[in-house]
Amino acid sequence: SQQGEEDPQALSIQEGENATMNCSYKTSINNLQWYRQNSGRGLVHLILIRSNEREKHSGRLRVTLDTSKKSSSLLITASRAADTASYFCATDQGGSEKLVFGKGTKLTVNP
Amino acid sequence: DAGITQSPRHKVTETGTPVTLRCHQTENHRYMYWYRQDPGHGLRLIHYSYGVKDTDKGEVSDGYSVSRSKTEDFLLTLESATSSQTSVYFCAISDRPGETQYFGPGTRLLVL
Repeated sequence: SQQGEEDPQALSIQEGENATMNCSYKTSINNLQWYRQNSGRGLVHLILIRSNEREKHSGRLRVTLDTSKKSSSLLITASRAADTASYFCATDQGGSEKLVFGKGTKLTVNP
Repeated sequence: DAGITQSPRHKVTETGTPVTLRCHQTENHRYMYWYRQDPGHGLRLIHYSYGVKDTDKGEVSDGYSVSRSKTEDFLLTLESATSSQTSVYFCAISDRPGETQYFGPGTRLLVL
């Protein structure tokens, strides 16, 4: 079963706007990760946030984590056409060797 | 990019034939994973390895077997391919359990 579920499934915005994607999960976690996948390519790791962290930044990316609500959000500021991709969250289910991925949010940034 | 390659990158095969996909890494990472990606299902774990000769099942392991005889290679075998195994297969590696994974470019498999 899917641990992480992203919302929305698809998002279309204009270049320069901010994009926000959400992830909900069910069990306790040690960390939550976000990945990007460009069409036809492998996934690329974006950012990892640990269960004792509430917010993390990397360039134009901002990730928040609310363990009480079992949810995370990924904010991409000042979106560019090159940000067009699918974005996945993944969780470790509390220390497992495995990650469980959500089904992803497909982001389209229109020039 | 992490040094991960997958071969073949594309394959067309017939139902009932065995198929082996190879994942090769040059990073000396302990953990290796095989996923399949299908529309509507996201990424699902097939099998993974936590060391040479140490493997375990994932969420969708039926019809698949794996082997890891050396650190750098992780093989996925479809014992008798079925049309339901048409998918894109990704290999991933990690040096710590549950931490960042680095993905290969994928193998597109079509079973006719």
